[in-house]
Amino acid sequence: KQEVTQIPAALSVPEGENLVLNCSFTDSAIYNLQWFRQDPGKGLTSLLLIQSSQREQTSGRLNASLDKSSGRSTLYIAASQPGDSATYLCAVPKTSYDKVIFGPGTSLSVIP
Amino acid sequence: GAGVSQSPSNKVTEKGKDVELRCDPISGHTALYWYRQSLGQGLEFLIYFQGNSAPDKSGLPSDRFSAERTGGSVSTLTIQRTQQEDSAVYLCASSLIGGGTEAFFGQGTRLTVV
Repeated sequence: KQEVTQIPAALSVPEGENLVLNCSFTDSAIYNLQWFRQDPGKGLTSLLLIQSSQREQTSGRLNASLDKSSGRSTLYIAASQPGDSATYLCAVPKTSYDKVIFGPGTSLSVIP
Repeated sequence: GAGVSQSPSNKVTEKGKDVELRCDPISGHTALYWYRQSLGQGLEFLIYFQGNSAPDKSGLPSDRFSAERTGGSVSTLTIQRTQQEDSAVYLCASSLIGGGTEAFFGQGTRLTVV
């Protein structure tokens, strides 16, 4: 059974800092890994999707890496801004037709 | 449509009543997911549709919960005889063909059982 964990559960940083969020999964036989952002009281917004054959994916100030063999992914946020404050979740499906399992999320607060 | 649409956005119901939550996925998306998020908790998987069939219903918490999807499009999640512990945000997502493609979420339905 796939289990996804995220560390830390919460993080507070001053504006401008670079930071790393961690995601771990127990079954390395994943098809891809997706990072989402959730603002309070809102749905989820997709940030990045990394295919299992990829090592990393970049979008603006965000960079996500994937190490399937060790069951880990990291989300790197450069030059953090107060608008980055949200909960960040990682998610994995086992196959292309499988359900998507989510981690518990990391609550990020960027202090101006 | 342009995105995943859920209705209602908020629902307050009395304990013991039945409720129906609706999800309109992105047009052409064959996969549809329902998740539940209780206050301060992560996403709990409920059910997954591929087309009109549900290959995975393993997350439905009890037989009071059911879901259907018609025409490969709209899905309805029904909760019968609601209990206070059913209070949560119910999120729907769709993707083009399943877990291998990017999932897009609706804004959710906040259900409060009083």
